[in-house]
Amino acid sequence: DTGVSQNPRHKITKRGQNVTFRCDPISEHNRLYWYRQTLGQGPEFLTYFQNEAQLEKSRLLSDRFSAERPKGSFSTLEIQRTEQGDSAMYLCASSGEGSTDTQYFGPGTRLTVL
Amino acid sequence: QKEVEQNSGPLSVPEGAIASLNCTYSDRGSQSFFWYRQYSGKSPELIMFIYSNGDKEDGRFTAQLNKASQYVSLLIRDSQPSDSATYLCAVNSGYSTLTFGKGTMLLVSP
Repeated sequence: DTGVSQNPRHKITKRGQNVTFRCDPISEHNRLYWYRQTLGQGPEFLTYFQNEAQLEKSRLLSDRFSAERPKGSFSTLEIQRTEQGDSAMYLCASSGEGSTDTQYFGPGTRLTVL
Repeated sequence: QKEVEQNSGPLSVPEGAIASLNCTYSDRGSQSFFWYRQYSGKSPELIMFIYSNGDKEDGRFTAQLNKASQYVSLLIRDSQPSDSATYLCAVNSGYSTLTFGKGTMLLVSP
């Protein structure tokens, strides 16, 4: 059973550039979540997919952020016109259908915006 | 706004002692509760989940839930230096997404 995978693991970019991250969930999981975590804080919810449908987006998610899960398998998170405040660890998690909704996290993508 | 509160620590315990980590939450509708362990620079790793009032044991870990007091705790028995990490409490209020506390740093000294 392979876990959640994320790519790239690290990304350094200049302010104003666009970046895209990929998440591959655990294969039998139909729910996928994106979170952001900054130093000293817990993960903060960004958005959630069930299969290919994006069911919830945080009010904190600005218009510069967009996420997709076109075939209900992997997902991408794009940040346009990056700002220094976007520097964070971007975490992806997945869970299976059922009452537990236990979420398993990938290794994360650490973004640094210069 | 749903809030999850944890003491940031650090909580320092000697090797072999019991570490007690606490968490309170604001949303009375919360249905499931999770403890994650996070080593520095790594992603959160699930330790335990609990849904019903009372205790749930798994090896050296015991989760305790009191919905009336809106309180969740995690006990780690026979603490080891490898348990040194940040412990995150997370709450699911029925909308699938998790609300996390800021985490409590645990330091276990040999």
